[in-house]
Amino acid sequence: GDSVTQMEGPVTLSEEAFLTINCTYTATGYPSLFWYVQYPGEGLQLLLKATKADDKGSNKGFEATYRKETTSFHLEKGSVQVSDSAVYFCALSGQNTGNQFYFGTGTSLTVIP
Amino acid sequence: NAGVTQTPKFRVLKTGQSMTLLCAQDMNHEYMYWYRQDPGMGLRLIHYSVGEGTTAKGEVPDGYNVSRLKKQNFLLGLESAAPSQTSVYFCASSASGRAHNEQFFGPGTRLTVL
Repeated sequence: GDSVTQMEGPVTLSEEAFLTINCTYTATGYPSLFWYVQYPGEGLQLLLKATKADDKGSNKGFEATYRKETTSFHLEKGSVQVSDSAVYFCALSGQNTGNQFYFGTGTSLTVIP
Repeated sequence: NAGVTQTPKFRVLKTGQSMTLLCAQDMNHEYMYWYRQDPGMGLRLIHYSVGEGTTAKGEVPDGYNVSRLKKQNFLLGLESAAPSQTSVYFCASSASGRAHNEQFFGPGTRLTVL
């Protein structure tokens, strides 16, 4: 079945450091891929998405490229800020699963000044 | 435009008690979902609905029931709460069943079962 494997955390970085959070997936057909962010005490918010191979999603300095050949959707940011401290979830929506999402386990990021 | 709202925000139950969590959305979305979030396990789908009057089981449906009597509301019920149901519950909605649609999430309900 469809699934997402996400880099385990927690991750602690200094401000302005480079961030990579790895995400790989297993799916049949052509899924859509998402990154969600959860700030403390809040619900999940969409950070970015990509709906077909080689698409790059971007938002707030974050980027992720849909790589079908490596079944990956790694999240990157060139210079993190303290305000980026949150939990990040990679998710997949299968081509034929009625928009049912499969989430990774989440990666907690803490950015220290 | 409030998006997705959930009631209540917090609740403490004793084992065996029942309760209903309410989810409401004002985006005219067809699909609605209930998830639970547990440490180290991400979000797991409990039940979902593809339209008014419909419900379907997700990954972890046991011990829960749902109803979608109105398009904008999706109720999650616990008939006899157990400590294993201590969790944070999230409701979500999406416009349709197309894979590219994002899901919009509510703020969550933190439930503790003693």
